[in-house]
Amino acid sequence: GNSVTQMEGPVTLSEEAFLTINCTYTATGYPSLFWYVQYPGEGLQLLLKATKADDKGSNKGFEATYRKETTSFHLEKGSVQVSDSAVYFCALRDSGGGADGLTFGKGTHLIIQP
Amino acid sequence: DAGVIQSPRHEVTEMGQEVTLRCKPISGHNSLFWYRQTMMRGLELLIYFNNNVPIDDSGMPEDRFSAKMPNASFSTLKIQPSEPRDSAVYFCASSLGLAGGMNEQFFGPGTRLTVL
Repeated sequence: GNSVTQMEGPVTLSEEAFLTINCTYTATGYPSLFWYVQYPGEGLQLLLKATKADDKGSNKGFEATYRKETTSFHLEKGSVQVSDSAVYFCALRDSGGGADGLTFGKGTHLIIQP
Repeated sequence: DAGVIQSPRHEVTEMGQEVTLRCKPISGHNSLFWYRQTMMRGLELLIYFNNNVPIDDSGMPEDRFSAKMPNASFSTLKIQPSEPRDSAVYFCASSLGLAGGMNEQFFGPGTRLTVL
């Protein structure tokens, strides 16, 4: 079956620090990969996505590259801000591109201190 | 666009009671998903619909859970009877399900259910 593993949190960083949140996956097909962000009291919002190997998704200074050889999709940001404090979820949707459900990792709680 | 609308936002009930959660997807979207979020298990897909038809309900935990989508603009998730271990945040999401498309899922704000 499909599964997503991401680093446990909380991850606490100082403002302007470099961020990496690791994510690896197992999939039966050729998945699309996603990072979602959840701010306190809100639903999930799509942060970035990638559909094939070596694709790089990027948004709001965050980046992640689809690495098929290592089955990874690590999230990075060069300089974090207090407003980036949230829970980040790595997710996959198996191949086909249809309207299938997502498989999520457990989430990583990121705390940015001023 | 109002986004995905869920109601109620919070629900507190007693064990054994029936609970109904409601979702209105984004207009024009033809796929709808119900997820459950708990500390122990994270986010889990419960069921999803395409064009109002249930496609995969393998994530529904027990027969106590049921979901319906009577039309393109409304879905319900019902728990009867409810148990304390059903306490969680339940999210509804919708997408425009096109074969081969990226099909971004848009999430509602969730319903926080507490079963005493």
